[in-house]
Amino acid sequence: DSGVTQTPKHLITATGQRVTLRCSPRSGDLSVYWYQQSLDQGLQFLIQYYNGEERAKGNILERFSAQQFPDLHSELNLSSLELGDSALYFCASSPLLDSLTEAFFGQGTRLTVV
Amino acid sequence: AQSVTQLGSHVSVSEGALVLLRCNYSSSVPPYLFWYVQYPNQGLQLLLKYTTGATLVKGINGFEAEFKKSETSFHLTKPSAHMSDAAEYFCAVSGRDKLIFGTGTRLQVFP
Repeated sequence: DSGVTQTPKHLITATGQRVTLRCSPRSGDLSVYWYQQSLDQGLQFLIQYYNGEERAKGNILERFSAQQFPDLHSELNLSSLELGDSALYFCASSPLLDSLTEAFFGQGTRLTVV
Repeated sequence: AQSVTQLGSHVSVSEGALVLLRCNYSSSVPPYLFWYVQYPNQGLQLLLKYTTGATLVKGINGFEAEFKKSETSFHLTKPSAHMSDAAEYFCAVSGRDKLIFGTGTRLQVFP
């Protein structure tokens, strides 16, 4: 158990809908990272938050947004969903701002868009 | 910019045989390198990491990797494969703000 909790584990929704994925980092970790894992794109970095502030952005679509709350949990919001958004979404946390320390990954949320 | 290339998307070995998973990196600064393992329906688990110091790094489950700067490689090895090693393995390099992952290598172990 990595200590990073993601909910829900599975999500099935229709195209055009909006969903929210939730991540609770390990106790004390201030950095949260979101990754998307799909068959054709592999593991892609989406966005990083540190202590409530956005710190880095990767290949995140404009239809996607995220935030980190004062209690350090994070949510990834995906809207106007398309079939191609079907993927495994991982959250990772680490104690510090940079990723040079190891990142602990949650078990992911599997999103299926039908 | 940093990048990682994993050679071979699938590797098959017999139980008890040597496991060798290849990873080459590109980095304009001294890299921090990682190997993660993903078991079916699981998240990513850190196997080992290289930051500085000794170039031969030992990880969990009997895996080790050697950082070779001259070859820009960080190959993962295990002397004797076990059935439980069947999983997907990801090499990663630390970028400025994130981990950059390779495309993964699926390891199959046959009895």
